[in-house]
Amino acid sequence: EIVMTQSPATLSVSPGEGATLSCRASQSVSSNLAWYQEKPGQPPRLLIYGASTRATGIPARFSGSGSGTEFTLTISSLQSEDFAVYYCQQYNNWPPITFGQGTRLEIK
Amino acid sequence: QVQLQESGPGLVKPSETLSLTCTVSGYSITSGYYWGWIRQPPGKGLEWLGSVYQSGSTYYNPSLKSRVTISVDTSKNQFSLKLNSVTAADTAVYYCARIIGSGSYYSDCWGQGTLVTVSS
Repeated sequence: EIVMTQSPATLSVSPGEGATLSCRASQSVSSNLAWYQEKPGQPPRLLIYGASTRATGIPARFSGSGSGTEFTLTISSLQSEDFAVYYCQQYNNWPPITFGQGTRLEIK
Repeated sequence: QVQLQESGPGLVKPSETLSLTCTVSGYSITSGYYWGWIRQPPGKGLEWLGSVYQSGSTYYNPSLKSRVTISVDTSKNQFSLKLNSVTAADTAVYYCARIIGSGSYYSDCWGQGTLVTVSS
């Protein structure tokens, strides 16, 4: 099973600033990585797939990068609606599909 | 627009079987994609339980493989989850989701989720 590790667990950032979230895989997942945003009481929302492709309707301030074992989700100029929990998910070697434990992005 | 909706009991007794159904609207299950179940214990992260293809082919999380069954009912445009011998550790919000497939096994559409509590 591929273990996904996200860092940091919590990130405090002021609105208008940028944020960088990291995700590391225990072995290479190529570019088979997705990012989701989760808000309280809502299901996860797909942001990025293929490590860097934005899903339909996702603002350009969200960008993904990386391949192999190291991945980054960057959010430029944080809006109030961006404060949420973010999960990475690998789909290169499955079953099982595995998720990171999440990074909570909170308002500083 | 595709929509998914979970349904089933919100309370299950320990050692019994948890059964949930996901009804898909706006898209035919037989048109492709995989369909899966993911859960989230309170305050914790996401865990993929398993997926089913329109043909009925199934893929399960090895950690749960002996307890989980996922099936599809194309006549009702639904797919279902059964998890047997449940314990308190199975208390979670259960989501059904559409999975793209064809090498891209991420979920682009999710149900709202349903909380299932395991308690006597």
